Amino acid sequence: GIQVEQSPPDLILQEGANSTLRCNFSDSVNNLQWFHQNPWGQLINLFYIPSGTKQNGRLSATTVATERYSLLYISSSQTTDSGVYFCAANNAGNMLTFGGGTRLMVKP
Amino acid sequence: GAVVSQHPSRVICKSGTSVKIECRSLDFQATTMFWYRQFPKQSLMLMATSNEGSKATYEQGVEKDKFLINHASLTLSTLTVTSAHPEDSSFYICSARRSSRTGYEQYFGPGTRLTVT
Repeated sequence: GIQVEQSPPDLILQEGANSTLRCNFSDSVNNLQWFHQNPWGQLINLFYIPSGTKQNGRLSATTVATERYSLLYISSSQTTDSGVYFCAANNAGNMLTFGGGTRLMVKP
Repeated sequence: GAVVSQHPSRVICKSGTSVKIECRSLDFQATTMFWYRQFPKQSLMLMATSNEGSKATYEQGVEKDKFLINHASLTLSTLTVTSAHPEDSSFYICSARRSSRTGYEQYFGPGTRLTVT
C-alpha cells in the first residue's frame, strides 16, 4: 500500500510565527487530506486536496501530485493551533493511510 | 454538514466483558465506514473497513472474532470489543466516507476512549 511520511515530527513556534508542514507519499493518490487533531482527540478536516492549492483563513495547502508531496502552511500561528497535524492519502484502495503526524506547540 | 458521531465517548470496563461502540453519520449516508485505533502519541492505524450490508474487511493482524463490526444501515456502524483485555485499552475512532463531485472525503467521529481494568 501507499506510504505516507510527515515532517517535522515535532515543532515549537512562538505565537505569530509562520510554519510549513510537509507530507510525502510513495505513489499517485486519489485522495489526500489534512487533519488537525485537537487535545480531546477529535480530528478536524482541514483540506481535501489531491492536487492544487487551497486556502482557508490562515491555513493553506498545496499538493504537487507529480512530485508526490503536499505542504500545509500555517501563518500567524495562535496557541489554539497547537495539536497534531495529520496528512492521510489513498490511491486505488478505499481507506486512508495516515502519516506519523506533526506535533505542533505554539507558545504565547 | 458531514458530521459523524460516536458513542460512548469514554468507557471503562472490566477484563472479560464486551463493549459496543456506535458510529453514526448524522447528515449523510455512508456505504463505507472505517474503524481506527490510536495509541498514545502515535498515529491512527486502520483496523477494518465496514461496508453496509456486507462483511467487514479486516487489516492484517486484527482479530475479526475479537473486534466484531456490523454495518446494518447507511448511517450506522458498530464495533464490539469482545472479551476485552487491558491491552485493548486504546482510543477508537470511526470514520465515514462521503462522496462528492470531486471524489471521496472521510470524516471522523470524536473517538471513544476505552479503558479495560
